[in-house]
Amino acid sequence: AQSVTQPDIHITVSEGASLELRCNYSYGATPYLFWYVQSPGQGLQLLLKYFSGDTLVQGIKGFEAEFKRSQSSFNLRKPSVHWSDAAEYFCAVGESGNTPLVFGKGTRLSVIA
Amino acid sequence: EPEVTQTPSHQVTQMGQEVILRCVPISNHLYFYWYRQILGQKVEFLVSFYNNEISEKSEIFDDQFSVERPDGSNFTLKIRSTKLEDSAMYFCASRLDRATEAFFGQGTRLTVV
Repeated sequence: AQSVTQPDIHITVSEGASLELRCNYSYGATPYLFWYVQSPGQGLQLLLKYFSGDTLVQGIKGFEAEFKRSQSSFNLRKPSVHWSDAAEYFCAVGESGNTPLVFGKGTRLSVIA
Repeated sequence: EPEVTQTPSHQVTQMGQEVILRCVPISNHLYFYWYRQILGQKVEFLVSFYNNEISEKSEIFDDQFSVERPDGSNFTLKIRSTKLEDSAMYFCASRLDRATEAFFGQGTRLTVV
């Protein structure tokens, strides 16, 4: 069965510092991989996705993620964090077809001045 | 930009009452989903719907739950007799086809008292 692990429950970074949120997945084939962001009281907004091709994908708000098949990872990065990036970040895995997404437990990002 | 719309944003109901959560998916999308997120926990899959029938459901989606697409635009989730543990944020999602990402609504926060 598919599974997604986000090992960091909560991360605090200073504004302007770089960020990396970790995501590892367990899946037999090449998965579709996603990062969603959830601001307090809000829904899930897609940051970026990987389906195939270039393993470094660019998303909205200056985020990027790199798919590393050998490590079963899809870590999210941002070179310089802004206070507005404080939110909950969810990694998810799926596949083509009508299969549902499997989400990780999320990483809460706090940004301090 | 097209978006998934959910109503109401917040619903409070008494235990044992029936609730209907409503969603308007993006108009040309073909696949529809309900997920839920209990406070502080991860997003969990409930059910997927395609071609006017349920295509997959999780263990959470028991006989108390049902889904319907009554008029070609709305997609509803009904909980027949709510329990305290049904309190959660419920997200509707839709996707265009088998190889694209899912778009999520803002969610309905259901509180069972």
